[in-house]
Amino acid sequence: NAGVTQTPKFQVLKTGQSMTLQCAQDMNHEYMSWYRQDPGMGLRLIHYSVGAGITDQGEVPNGYNVSRSTTEDFPLRLLSAAPSQTSVYFCASSYSQTEIATQYFGPGTRLTVL
Amino acid sequence: QKEVEQDPGPLSVPEGAIVSLNCTYSNSAFQYFMWYRQYSRKGPELLMYTYSSGNKEDGRFTAQVDKSSKYISLFIRDSQPSDSATYLCAMKGRDDKIIFGKGTRLHILP
Repeated sequence: NAGVTQTPKFQVLKTGQSMTLQCAQDMNHEYMSWYRQDPGMGLRLIHYSVGAGITDQGEVPNGYNVSRSTTEDFPLRLLSAAPSQTSVYFCASSYSQTEIATQYFGPGTRLTVL
Repeated sequence: QKEVEQDPGPLSVPEGAIVSLNCTYSNSAFQYFMWYRQYSRKGPELLMYTYSSGNKEDGRFTAQVDKSSKYISLFIRDSQPSDSATYLCAMKGRDDKIIFGKGTRLHILP
């Protein structure tokens, strides 16, 4: 049972480039989410999904896209990277949205946009 | 007023001491209160969560919620160098949205 996995661990992009951050979980969790963590800002919710085929915006969704075609995977796409998107990105999952209090986090992806 | 306030630290204490970490909040609708531990360059991991007011104990860790004062605490007894990490408080109301504190950096000095 690997839990929540994220790839890549590190990434450097140039302004304007696009990329996809991968997230997968093997716990059959319905609820998955993406956060970004910045110094002095805490964890902020980008997008979330309550099940395959259902996604919704969080607190800071601009510049990011998500889709959920399977229960296991929840990729985050940066459409045109900007220096303001330099951050550490965490994926998290829980059995359901009502059990979000016990969500599991992945190890994170450190992204630098030059 | 911010929804959740947490002193960023750093907080440095000698090994074996009792550590007290705290958060205040403004939204009286919060019902679930969580504490996460985050080691450097790792993801947060859930330490404890409590529902409503009261105390909850797990080994060396005790979580305390005082809803009348809108104040939550995490106590660590017999602190160890391995407890050195950032501790995040988090809260959830009926809307299933979690609000995180910014985290307190804790250093346990051997």
